[in-house]
Amino acid sequence: QVQLVESGGGVVQPGRSLRLSCAASGFTFSTYGMHWVRQAPGKGLEWVAIIWFDGSNQYYADSVKGRFTISRDNSKNTLYLQMNSLTADDTAVYYCAKDGKVAPETYSFGNWGQGTLVTVSS
Amino acid sequence: SYELTQPPSVSVSPGQTARITCSGDALAKKYGFWYQQKPGQAPVMVIFKDTERPSGIPERFSGSSSGTTVTLTISGVQAEDEADYYCHSSDNSGTYQVFGGGTKLTVL
Repeated sequence: QVQLVESGGGVVQPGRSLRLSCAASGFTFSTYGMHWVRQAPGKGLEWVAIIWFDGSNQYYADSVKGRFTISRDNSKNTLYLQMNSLTADDTAVYYCAKDGKVAPETYSFGNWGQGTLVTVSS
Repeated sequence: SYELTQPPSVSVSPGQTARITCSGDALAKKYGFWYQQKPGQAPVMVIFKDTERPSGIPERFSGSSSGTTVTLTISGVQAEDEADYYCHSSDNSGTYQVFGGGTKLTVL
């Protein structure tokens, strides 16, 4: 079965960097687009970024563009999120999600990990 | 920026039908999706492509679409359906993904 396990969260000071990882198993990782989605404490879901199955394209929410970088290593079945210049507004649970691949040019979140908490605080 | 609008809360008694709407201009051209999130858990997709139900999702969950609005219907609501529900779609380019603000379903 599909398994997505995030790691790398923790407490970080404003302005610093953090890298999240998502280990994937139970499916052919190299054939699926992957997403990061976050949820601030007590708030709703916010899409963060997507990377295509082969890493050839990445798209970002305006709130993280220029600060966050999504990447993947298909040889290791692992997704990454490099987060720079962090602010308190980035405090959230970060989920990785496997694209649903339900239709051409249509993205969705078919499977989710359990999330990793990032707290930005001095 | 593109937005999807959901009611903050919906309340129903067990056995009744719950309907949660989601409105946004791009829904006229783009598919809508629905996710259920229970406290402390990751979201789960319950409806995709406006009306389709993933395997393992109970038949009481259904979706519909009309113009710029998609609707999640839960027939014969059960206590276990109490959760937050989020709609999702993309902007007209299909590139940027957007969630609605979420609807808290309370089973009275």
